Amino acid sequence: GQNIDQPTEMTATEGAIVQINCTYQTSGFNGLFWYQQHAGEAPTFLSYNVLDGLEEKGRFSSFLSRSKGYSYLLLKELQMKDSASYLCAVLDSNYQLIWGAGTKLIIKP
Amino acid sequence: DTAVSQTPKYLVTQMGNDKSIKCEQNLGHDTMYWYKQDSKKFLKIMFSYNNKELIINETVPNRFSPKSPDKAHLNLHINSLELGDSAVYFCASSQNTGGTHTDTQYFGPGTRLTVL
Repeated sequence: GQNIDQPTEMTATEGAIVQINCTYQTSGFNGLFWYQQHAGEAPTFLSYNVLDGLEEKGRFSSFLSRSKGYSYLLLKELQMKDSASYLCAVLDSNYQLIWGAGTKLIIKP
Repeated sequence: DTAVSQTPKYLVTQMGNDKSIKCEQNLGHDTMYWYKQDSKKFLKIMFSYNNKELIINETVPNRFSPKSPDKAHLNLHINSLELGDSAVYFCASSQNTGGTHTDTQYFGPGTRLTVL
């Protein structure tokens, strides 16, 4: 079966750095997405990785290792507004997006 | 300039009723989707649809049916509503399914359905 694992919840301090991991087992791979979802709002696109390595976009970076079936989202200089759920999703061989359950990130002052 | 819009934002109804949720995208995308997000916040795909193909998640009851009058609209019709249908329903769209960055899905604001 297809499976995406990420921690249910993480807590970090304002100004710090946090890494949210995602491991996947899917039938084929055509890219991995990270989305952010604030409570009561729709998911919004953060990043897309299809090649191994690190993609940096401002305070957010996303890393992919296809051989290990592993990705992480790195958030730097955390702000209170970064409190949200972070969803990992993989595009499988049929170009269907398989979603993880999301990681709820709590930022404390 | 809302990219993906849904109506209504909130829907409260009685068990057994039939209801529809509308979705429109002005991005010119080829593919549209419906998702259900339950109280545990798990995002579950219900349907994906483009002008060529409707893909139905086999776990979705046939009380749920998508209707697409044109490429920019994908409405969700639900018959005989049940208590377990209470959830937030998200519509989304993407450019195509070529396995590239264009597969990024853009979500509507969601419709919170409560069945009493």
